Amino acid sequence: DAGITQSPRHKVTETGTPVTLRCHQTENHRYMYWYRQDPGHGLRLIHYSYGVKDTDKGEVSDGYSVSRSKTEDFLLTLESATSSQTSVYFCAISEPRRVDYGYTFGSGTRLTVV
Amino acid sequence: AQTVTQSQPEMSVQEAETVTLSCTYDTSESDYYLFWYKQPPSRQMILVIRQEAYKQQNATENRFSVNFQKAAKSFSLKISDSQLGDAAMYFCASYNTDKLIFGTGTRLQVFP
Repeated sequence: DAGITQSPRHKVTETGTPVTLRCHQTENHRYMYWYRQDPGHGLRLIHYSYGVKDTDKGEVSDGYSVSRSKTEDFLLTLESATSSQTSVYFCAISEPRRVDYGYTFGSGTRLTVV
Repeated sequence: AQTVTQSQPEMSVQEAETVTLSCTYDTSESDYYLFWYKQPPSRQMILVIRQEAYKQQNATENRFSVNFQKAAKSFSLKISDSQLGDAAMYFCASYNTDKLIFGTGTRLQVFP
């Protein structure tokens, strides 16, 4: 979807290094989310944001931190990457007033930790 | 806490036939939304159909329809006249209290 962009699309990194994934939206949606997708687990919520500098944890938040200094950007940071964090990461946005339309998702970032 | 369960890891259907994907959920909320998303090999998440819990009428979108049983907390997806392009992962999801929670997915194969 043109209104939400994730970068990078692919990344390979070494164990123990910090990694930051970026999500950028042009829709001015209030809510932004980070999910990870793994076989057999579906998509699991890592962190989400309900406004600038307002964030909360999801079900798999250990080892991850987030920041949102502007409405349009939501960053996901792995402070010290581990092999268990090898996954596909999706960003999503939503507007609470129109939640019946579901979320809009980015194209995903495939992260490999070696 | 919300939970969403998809008990069929894989399903298959022949082209032009009908297939039903199962989903059950658990929530303590009275007002919520349910969704089915499709994920083709391109990895893109595509909204297929949505259902508002307070609406008793089952949602329909062209060849896609749902069987929403609120008391049983069941939300199955029926695909009629299956096409090769329907082959994908399908995720059931439940939304309330600002969060969308997904099931583990069902991989649908479509055979000519």
